[in-house]
Amino acid sequence: DAKTTQPTSMDCAEGRAANLPCNHSTISGNEYVYWYRQIHSQGPQYIIHGLKNNETNEMASLIITEDRKSSTLILPHATLRDTAVYYCIVKKARNSGGSNYKLTFGKGTLLTVNP
Amino acid sequence: DAGITQSPRHKVTETGTPVTLRCHQTENHRYMYWYRQDPGHGLRLIHYSYGVKDTDKGEVSDGYSVSRSKTEDFLLTLESATSSQTSVYFCAISEQRINYGYTFGSGTRLTVV
Repeated sequence: DAKTTQPTSMDCAEGRAANLPCNHSTISGNEYVYWYRQIHSQGPQYIIHGLKNNETNEMASLIITEDRKSSTLILPHATLRDTAVYYCIVKKARNSGGSNYKLTFGKGTLLTVNP
Repeated sequence: DAGITQSPRHKVTETGTPVTLRCHQTENHRYMYWYRQDPGHGLRLIHYSYGVKDTDKGEVSDGYSVSRSKTEDFLLTLESATSSQTSVYFCAISEQRINYGYTFGSGTRLTVV
């Protein structure tokens, strides 16, 4: 699975959009971009994923560049409850073996939403 | 999260004692995973299962064993607990569909004294 690079930390004002970048320059054609977050003392939570098209759900939007070498997770109106570590993960989605379903977490980005 | 339960939530045990952590799911998902999380190391995969009685090692499997005798339960055993195994343990489940994320449990905080 491709390696990802994220900033260590970011700040955002409450009510404003939070834009979290992720670089994945070695991504291959069959690898998806997944985003998870982990609020303090809780288990990681799935947010969104995409292959090459931009995606949106009730939690966030995912913008993937045309060359797929980077992406941005957008929280449109950040709240204090969005303060968490956000993980960008690149992995293949469809495989025949169980080992290819492992998620490998990096250090992520600590997003702090300030009042 | 709904559909996945870890027990116990907290445990303190003495060095050298055996410890078993339980992960129970009601989603009928094929894949189950055990991770540990430590400051400075993030989340690391211990063992995973891709079906009943089918398990394999992750990146930090030494000192741990697992068992999965039925779809809904995945047990993590520390045969002889050591202080280095003090950690927060998370269980996760997933299914083989393409577009499906993992669901994690709330974690078990284990302290080995």
